[in-house]
This record gives sequence, structure tokens and C-alpha cells, in this order.
Amino acid sequence: GAVVSQHPSWVICKSGTSVKIECRSLDFQATTMFWYRQFPKQSLMLMATSNEGSKATYEQGVEKDKFLINHASLTLSTLTVTSAHPEDSSFYICSAPRRSLYEQYFGPGTRLTVT
Amino acid sequence: KNEVEQSPQNLTAQEGEFITINCSYSVGISALHWLQQHPGGGIVSLFMLSSGKKKHGRLIATINIQEKHSSLHITASHPRDSAVYICAVGLYSGGGADGLTFGKGTHLIIQP
Repeated sequence: GAVVSQHPSWVICKSGTSVKIECRSLDFQATTMFWYRQFPKQSLMLMATSNEGSKATYEQGVEKDKFLINHASLTLSTLTVTSAHPEDSSFYICSAPRRSLYEQYFGPGTRLTVT
Repeated sequence: KNEVEQSPQNLTAQEGEFITINCSYSVGISALHWLQQHPGGGIVSLFMLSSGKKKHGRLIATINIQEKHSSLHITASHPRDSAVYICAVGLYSGGGADGLTFGKGTHLIIQP
């Protein structure tokens, strides 16, 4: 079946540094990928839609200059958390839909801790 | 914006019991997903439904599009079914898929 991978699975960084998270679709091409964020004991929330070949679209309240998204190819989207703060500590998950099947495949998630 | 409500929020049951988790949403959708999230955080997609009923092993998912309601059932529940079950809805149009809107999840604990 379709697989989406994320790297790294967990990362600890210091305040003020930047962290890059990768999302890859391993056996299908995805012109669109989605980035979600989940704070402890809360629901997943859509952060942004990553579009191959064009700019990402961000949900209300998500700072596009802080969360940089680059959809470099049909199988790779990256999320860079710039100038990370402790409040950015969260679980970040990507998903990629297969348009023809209307199915979304989820990455395993990346747990970010900012100290 | 779609509002997704799940019930119950928390559920503790004995091994072998029949489990039902409910999901209601406010706006018409193209598809509804049931997801399972284990304590480590990783998410597994259990079902994607646009109508009717699907069955996979001991899991059954149903959806009523007119009533904007879906249920996830677990038969002969087992401690390894303990997880958070999340309902998510999405719209899929000719332009592609939209991001999903998630319920808050149901924390299920199955005791041996």
C-alpha cells in the first residue's frame, strides 16, 4: 500500500534555531501534501497545504514566515520551523492524498521539542 | 468550516465488549476517515468512507450522509485496541483534496 515517511521522527533543538522536517511519498506522486500540528491532548489541526510548483497556502493564524514550506518535487515536501520557540514544541504530521483514490496517507509524525 | 464532534471522549471497557464510537459533522463532505493513534503518536488510517459500510477484521465503520453521522464499531475488543480513535472529514473536488478537519478523538482503554 501507499506509504508516507517523515524524517526525523523526533528532534530536540534550542530556542532560536531552525528545524527542517521532511515528508516523502514513497510509492506515489503527490502534487499536494498537508501539514498538521497536534499539541498535547488536543486534536490535529491543519497548518498548511503544500503545493508542488507553487506557494503553500496557510491556515488562519499560522505564520508563513515562521513555518516555511517547500514542495521540492512530486514526492517531497519540507516544513522548516524557523527561529523555534518552546511553544512550537508539538507533534507535526504530514499527509498526502492520492487524488484518484481520494485516500489520504499519513506520515508517522515528527515530535519537536524546543528547549 | 466543518465542526466534527466525537463521542464519547473517553471510554473504558472490558476485553470482549462491543465498542461503538460516534462522529457527527456539520457540513456536507466527500469522505470521512477513521484514524487510530497510539501513545507514540503515529497515525494509522483505518477506513475512508463516502457511503454505506466497511468492514476490516473486527472493525466496522458506517456512515449516514443524510444525517452527517458515522460510527466505528469494534467487535470482541482486545487490550491492543487501546488507542485514540479519531474521526476526520474532508472535501475532495475536481481541484483535488482539501485538508482534513479532525474530531478531538476518543480515548479507548480495553482492560483485560
